[in-house]
Amino acid sequence: GENVEQHPSTLSVQEGDSAVIKCTYSDSASNYFPWYKQELGKGPQLIIDIRSNVGEKKDQRIAVTLNKTAKHFSLHITETQPEDSAVYFCAALANNDMRFGAGTRLTVKP
Amino acid sequence: DAGVIQSPRHEVTEMGQEVTLRCKPISGHDYLFWYRQTMMRGLELLIYFNNNVPIDDSGMPEDRFSAKMPNASFSTLKIQPSEPRDSAVYFCASSLFRAETQYFGPGTRLLVL
Repeated sequence: GENVEQHPSTLSVQEGDSAVIKCTYSDSASNYFPWYKQELGKGPQLIIDIRSNVGEKKDQRIAVTLNKTAKHFSLHITETQPEDSAVYFCAALANNDMRFGAGTRLTVKP
Repeated sequence: DAGVIQSPRHEVTEMGQEVTLRCKPISGHDYLFWYRQTMMRGLELLIYFNNNVPIDDSGMPEDRFSAKMPNASFSTLKIQPSEPRDSAVYFCASSLFRAETQYFGPGTRLLVL
């Protein structure tokens, strides 16, 4: 089955800096890659997703890139703000099997 | 839409007791998922339904866990008997299609003493 690895597990940045979170996957059949943000005491919320026929997608300060050959995808947050502090999860869907990464705890220091 | 609704939000019970978690998916969503989240194991898919039919329950840890979806707007996850190692946050999520955005509920934080 699919195996998703996520790095780093924790990330601390200064407000205004960029943050990058990386994930790798194992199953070449994976074709859908969502990113979720989970704030304390809440359920994960989708922030951006990308499909395997696209290499990059951007939504304001958030962007995701996908390298199918290398089987990795990344989340980029620019101009970070304290409210970006949360746990971020990547996921990969292959053959109806969605697997989540272990999560990255992002802290943005004001 | 109010989003995915879960109840209760918090549950504290004693070992051996039956626990029932409830979920109302987003109206019109054909898929419903139950997840468990712990520090050690992260987010684990327990079971998912398509059009009220259980499709994959391979993530259900053992026979003490059972899930039902009697209709398109309601699902339950039951643990009987509960054990301290079942303590976790249980999430319900729903989506239109399998390969589509999953919308998560706020979760039920379960503590088994």
